[in-house]
Amino acid sequence: EAQVTQNPRYLITVTGKKLTVTCSQNMNHEYMSWYRQDPGLGLRQIYYSMNVEVTDKGDVPEGYKVSRKEKRNFPLILESPSPNQTSLYFCASSLFLQHNEQFFGPGTRLTVL
Amino acid sequence: RKEVEQDPGPFNVPEGATVAFNCTYSNSASQSFFWYRQDCRKEPKLLMSVYSSGNEDGRFTAQLNRASQYISLLIRDSKLSDSATYLCVVRRDTGRRALTFGSGTRLQVQP
Repeated sequence: EAQVTQNPRYLITVTGKKLTVTCSQNMNHEYMSWYRQDPGLGLRQIYYSMNVEVTDKGDVPEGYKVSRKEKRNFPLILESPSPNQTSLYFCASSLFLQHNEQFFGPGTRLTVL
Repeated sequence: RKEVEQDPGPFNVPEGATVAFNCTYSNSASQSFFWYRQDCRKEPKLLMSVYSSGNEDGRFTAQLNRASQYISLLIRDSKLSDSATYLCVVRRDTGRRALTFGSGTRLQVQP
């Protein structure tokens, strides 16, 4: 089944404790992206990657890192999480940057205490 | 000003009603337009693209007005299963970031 998977789905952590949210897609998509969704603000892009080893900042990159060592994986790293990073996070992929449809993972609900 | 603006709702309508949502965008360089649907606590999924000439997919009709910079979604004969949040999405072909999402309009269809 073609899909985007994320892990963990739910995470409660404390300020300053490094964490990684994994994202994997099995559709051989070139373009991958991370979003956060907050009430009233919609989905905001954190980072994106147009292909292996090519990543760039989105609208809200502060406090996050990403890597794209393999085409299928695009982990999101929070080196020192803070409470303002409490949010719902979605990973998404599409065939390439200009392709119309983005496929989203099921989301990761993160709470930073 | 937000790049994509939507009325958050909620729109509460009875089954069988026709309901319409509008969305405005501020960047005249926007080239492509979409409606995504998001069920509660789930991931967004593409509902339909919006073409300049307008397009229809079953009970759903999408229209684009470039002069006034707004997009609309019309749902006819609403079903309970249409209850969701509808996200207006635009893409600028300039720049490398793919899509800009509105914060969504919530629809609740009642029996």
